[in-house]
Amino acid sequence: EVQLVQSGAEVKKPGESLRISCKGSGYSFTSYWISWVRQMPGKGLEWMGRIDPSDSYTNYSPSFQGHVTISADKSISTAYLQWSSLKASDTAIYYCARQEGSGWYGDYWGQGTLVTVSS
Amino acid sequence: DIQMTQSPSSLSASVGDRVTITCRASQGISNSLAWYRQKPGKAPKLLLYAASRLESGVPSRFSGSGSGTDYTLTISSLQPEDFATYYCQQYYSTPDTFGGGTKVEIK
Repeated sequence: EVQLVQSGAEVKKPGESLRISCKGSGYSFTSYWISWVRQMPGKGLEWMGRIDPSDSYTNYSPSFQGHVTISADKSISTAYLQWSSLKASDTAIYYCARQEGSGWYGDYWGQGTLVTVSS
Repeated sequence: DIQMTQSPSSLSASVGDRVTITCRASQGISNSLAWYRQKPGKAPKLLLYAASRLESGVPSRFSGSGSGTDYTLTISSLQPEDFATYYCQQYYSTPDTFGGGTKVEIK
């Protein structure tokens, strides 16, 4: 069974750093890309960027380029999304999604990680 | 970036109703369109891709059509589990972009 399991909810202060994770199982982790998608409270879905775990090649949305870093460790089938300095506006649910290279749609999704940034 | 405009933003319907949601792209996307259903507090679930291809395991009451810039999602007979928010996503060009969502509520 294909699964993407994300790390748990986080509460952070502005200016703090954070890394959340997404562990894939039940499939060949290096055969699919992993995308990250943001959903702010009560809002819609926003694609942030994606990574090819086989070589860690990344592609970012211009809206998020420079604000987050996407990485992966193929040895443990895990992708990461990290911030060096959080802002209150980063408060959101973050989803990872598996995407096949032939079509950038998410066929499996993680359960989401709620990140709350508040002083 | 390609802008995706979904309509309506919300609708009220009853169990058994036929429901149609539309998505318009700001430029042609060559059927590179996916539809998702998101229930409250849950992750999105893929329903269709390539505009009209049903994802494995998705009930046949869901169908998709369209071409060029205009696409539709149809639910032939609304079921209780279908009261949720629906999103379209274009993947013709990066960055991927989503429509604003359509919330389907119980009448």
